[in-house]
Amino acid sequence: DIQMTQSPSTLSASVGDRVTITCRASQSVSGWLAWYQQRPGKAPKLLIYKASSLESGVPSRFSGSGSGTEFTLTISSLQPEDFATYYCQHYNGDSRTFGQGTKVEIK
Amino acid sequence: EVQLVESGGGLIKPGGSLRLSCAASEFTFSYAWMGWVRQAPGKGLEWVGRIRSKADGGTTDYAAPVKGRFTISRDDSKNMLFLQMNSLETEDTAVYYCSTDWDGHRGSQGASWGQGTLVTVSS
Repeated sequence: DIQMTQSPSTLSASVGDRVTITCRASQSVSGWLAWYQQRPGKAPKLLIYKASSLESGVPSRFSGSGSGTEFTLTISSLQPEDFATYYCQHYNGDSRTFGQGTKVEIK
Repeated sequence: EVQLVESGGGLIKPGGSLRLSCAASEFTFSYAWMGWVRQAPGKGLEWVGRIRSKADGGTTDYAAPVKGRFTISRDDSKNMLFLQMNSLETEDTAVYYCSTDWDGHRGSQGASWGQGTLVTVSS
């Protein structure tokens, strides 16, 4: 199975900061990579699919890049509602695996 | 707007069985690939499995920890998705989410999610 590793596990940042989260796959997943945001007690919300396509309704401060085994999620200017946990997930082939998550905390 | 509503969670003893349901509305369910994802208390998301649309074969794939114990099925006439869980273990304790899976038109994954249903496996 393909393993997904996110870094960092926790990130402390301030409103207005530029934030980058990295996701690495143990083997190539081509561009089949999604990013989700999860707030406490809520279901995950799709932000990015196909590595860099912004889901409808998601603010443009969110962007994704990468292909193969290395991907990044960038929040260009962190807003109060962005403090949450973020997960990457590959969907290459017949399985799907999530990264362990990155919690974005208030500094 | 897509609606997914899970039900069927509860407290069950180790070794027991439970069937979760997911009622879908506001989209063409029969065309959709659907899946289940779980989240143990205080932990991250874990993919459980998925089922293709009948047009794409209706076949299923499962994560290793649940393969042989869990079965995903669907009733397109009722817009319902199911997760039959047998031989439950304490490690299966989690919130179980129903979600849309692969969307071949957009190339997207996991665009819509239910609110989740809690399964607690404990003696």
